[in-house]
Amino acid sequence: GAVVSQHPSWVICKSGTSVKIECRSLDFQATTMFWYRQFPKQSLMLMATSNEGSKATYEQGVEKDKFLINHASLTLSTLTVTSAHPEDSSFYICSARMPSGTPGEQYFGPGTRLTVT
Amino acid sequence: AQKITQTQPGMFVQEKEAVTLDCTYDTSDQSYGLFWYKQPSSGEMIFLIYQGSYDEQNATEGRYSLNFQKARKSANLVISASQLGDSAMYFCAMREGLSGNTPLVFGKGTRLSVIA
Repeated sequence: GAVVSQHPSWVICKSGTSVKIECRSLDFQATTMFWYRQFPKQSLMLMATSNEGSKATYEQGVEKDKFLINHASLTLSTLTVTSAHPEDSSFYICSARMPSGTPGEQYFGPGTRLTVT
Repeated sequence: AQKITQTQPGMFVQEKEAVTLDCTYDTSDQSYGLFWYKQPSSGEMIFLIYQGSYDEQNATEGRYSLNFQKARKSANLVISASQLGDSAMYFCAMREGLSGNTPLVFGKGTRLSVIA
């Protein structure tokens, strides 16, 4: 079955540094990927929609200059948390859907747990 | 307004019993899809079941079934013969439209605990 991978699975960084998270579709091409954030004991909140070859669409309240999204190819989207602060510590999950798949086929990556100290 | 409402923050069920997790949704679209995901403590989102708005029959996947009541805008998940491994967070989600270019919107989740 289709698989979405994320790297790294967890990362600890110091306040003020930047962290890049990769989301890859391993056996299919994804023109659209989605980035979600999940705080402990809360639901997944959509951050942005990543479109291959064009600018990402950010949800209200998400700082586009802080959370840089690059969807440079049909199999890779990256999320860079710039100048990270402790309040950015969260679980980040990406998802993608096969363009030719059924409407129900939405695949999630395993997530990246970011801790900012 | 919340698009997905899960009113049960936590549920307990005895092993081998059935349990229903509630989900109501709000949309003015005619075309939409409803999803249920399981999230164990590892954090991965495990797809369980999907129901399209035009599907006339309730979706079933093994021990999972979706009780789709369109007029009431509800999409409850029924887990039959609960197992200890079913203990996890369960999220109901909706995608408006049937293309893949719109994101899923999630409810707040229900934590299910299966008791031996």
